[in-house]
Amino acid sequence: AQSVSQHNHHVILSEAASLELGCNYSYGGTVNLFWYVQYPGQHLQLLLKYFSGDPLVKGIKGFEAEFIKSKFSFNLRKPSVQWSDTAEYFCAVRNRRDDKIIFGKGTRLHILP
Amino acid sequence: NAGVTQTPKFQVLKTGQSMTLQCAQDMNHEYMSWYRQDPGMGLRLIHYSVGAGITDQGEVPNGYNVSRSTTEDFPLRLLSAAPSQTSVYFCASSEQATSGRAGDTQYFGPGTRLTVL
Repeated sequence: AQSVSQHNHHVILSEAASLELGCNYSYGGTVNLFWYVQYPGQHLQLLLKYFSGDPLVKGIKGFEAEFIKSKFSFNLRKPSVQWSDTAEYFCAVRNRRDDKIIFGKGTRLHILP
Repeated sequence: NAGVTQTPKFQVLKTGQSMTLQCAQDMNHEYMSWYRQDPGMGLRLIHYSVGAGITDQGEVPNGYNVSRSTTEDFPLRLLSAAPSQTSVYFCASSEQATSGRAGDTQYFGPGTRLTVL
């Protein structure tokens, strides 16, 4: 069965710091990979996704993620965070066999102004 | 387009009661799914559907039933509510049922906050 692991449960950074949130998945077949964000009081929105091709994908608000197939990883990065990036971030994996989409437990990011 | 709508927004049930959480989308999406969100647990997939008439179990299906008689609607039924089902429930939809195609971004509804006493 597929699973998704997000290593950091709670991250606190100062504004302008660089961000990297880890995501690893376990599934032997072909996958699509996603990062979603949930701002306080709101529902989930897509940040970016890996579908195929270039393993470095760019999303909204300056976020990017790199798919490293050999490491089963899809880490999220941003070079300089802002206070408005305070939110919960979820990694998700969709396998191409039964189309099940599984989420990680989330990382709560708190940016200090 | 209204997108993904969920009703009710809030609900309180007593143990043993049954109810249906409604989910509808007006984007003609093939794929729909139900998740529950609990603190520290992320989103866990309850059931999903790749098209009308087709449903399948997710990670935590016990205690829940679904049906997909139309493309637009995907109701979630709690058969006999238990306190362990206290949670926030999210419905989501995406354009393509078959993964590997570009239209598989999930659009989430606003959620239903359910409390079971």
